[in-house]
Amino acid sequence: EPEVTQTPSHQVTQMGQEVILRCVPISNHLYFYWYRQILGQKVEFLVSFYNNEISEKSEIFDDQFSVERPDGSNFTLKIRSTKLEDSAMYFCASSPTGVGLQETQYFGPGTRLLVL
Amino acid sequence: DQQVKQNSPSLSVQEGRISILNCDYTNSMFDYFLWYKKYPAEGPTFLISISSIKDKNEDGRFTVFLNKSAKHLSLHIVPSQPGDSAVYFCAASRRYAGNMLTFGGGTRLMVKP
Repeated sequence: EPEVTQTPSHQVTQMGQEVILRCVPISNHLYFYWYRQILGQKVEFLVSFYNNEISEKSEIFDDQFSVERPDGSNFTLKIRSTKLEDSAMYFCASSPTGVGLQETQYFGPGTRLLVL
Repeated sequence: DQQVKQNSPSLSVQEGRISILNCDYTNSMFDYFLWYKKYPAEGPTFLISISSIKDKNEDGRFTVFLNKSAKHLSLHIVPSQPGDSAVYFCAASRRYAGNMLTFGGGTRLMVKP
């Protein structure tokens, strides 16, 4: 069964450093997402991406964050200058089309980011 | 943001019995609801969903009920199995809003043999 994959599984970085989290969505999916879960808190939406542009973003997704689909398979989340409060589990998800449809989002296993 | 709430942080059930997990929402614009199951150190795994035009959806041992007037949904697992022990999240979305999922806080289900 196709699945969303994410690398790395764990990342430790120093405050102020840039990190790039990588995701490979399910191959025929067109809509991509990033969510995060701070320890002990809810899973929170960050951003959705369709047709090479951001479709929706939350207030968490400020100028320090960016997303990119650099090639036909990868989808990345970049945090330019990490803060302690960026420590969280980051989940990538994808759905088949997403445009105005009620679709299931399929999640990857997550990247645990720890900012020291 | 408390648009989706799961008021029971944990639930313990005997194997073979019914597990009922509850979820409440406040945003009447939500039109699609999903349940995900999550094990530690893994991503959420999709279980079952329901559109707001329905009041029930069934898939094997899992049934989701939606009560729009009460803004309440529930997930029934019958019969419960020890392998069902995990954290269960309900999530909601509304059409044309970037498919953003709003999650509840989760309920930890423990199924005892």
